[in-house]
Amino acid sequence: DQQVKQNSPSLSVQEGRISILNCDYTNSMFDYFLWYKKYPAEGPTFLISISSIKDKNEDGRFTVFLNKSAKHLSLHIVPSQPGDSAVYFCAAHFQGAQKLVFGQGTRLTINP
Amino acid sequence: NAGVTQTPKFQVLKTGQSMTLQCAQDMNHEYMSWYRQDPGMGLRLIHYSVGAGITDQGEVPNGYNVSRSTTEDFPLRLLSAAPSQTSVYFCASSYGGGRGDGYTFGSGTRLTVV
Repeated sequence: DQQVKQNSPSLSVQEGRISILNCDYTNSMFDYFLWYKKYPAEGPTFLISISSIKDKNEDGRFTVFLNKSAKHLSLHIVPSQPGDSAVYFCAAHFQGAQKLVFGQGTRLTINP
Repeated sequence: NAGVTQTPKFQVLKTGQSMTLQCAQDMNHEYMSWYRQDPGMGLRLIHYSVGAGITDQGEVPNGYNVSRSTTEDFPLRLLSAAPSQTSVYFCASSYGGGRGDGYTFGSGTRLTVV
């Protein structure tokens, strides 16, 4: 059973516009939520995270929003740049355990 | 500082063969883990270790074996390869800060079982 779900396999956005990537989860025991970015032939790299007790975290062009009642989080990228084209994985960390659970990934393409 | 090094980068196996995927880190991280990435499935945890001599199973451990004799190394063994194990394998290490943001991933091993 997929505990972390990214229902959009791909997303195409115009350069300069906002990119919104979505993620849903089912387990209330997650204490942190994270976004990882992956380029082809490379491993995933950490992008931004949010604690389960927060509803927003911002880092430059990247903002993550958490809606605990809906068990939903989203990543906003503003403005989108060509270098943002990659696969984005949503991940959730289990409270008190060294485990990360990943979603299926969303391939973001930024068009010039 | 190499980070997490995985070898080999590519491998083709015949069904029934065994092999070991190597993973080494030079960051003195206590926590190491193995994931496999499959289309439409994301990254799934195979095995993990919270320190030398301690390992545990993840979501999809069947057909894989691990051991952790040193802090630096965490090899993944395929006992008898099957076509269902065709995948991209990622090793990760972490300082174990308990938030999930300290993970460093290797560049992956692409395995094909024919």
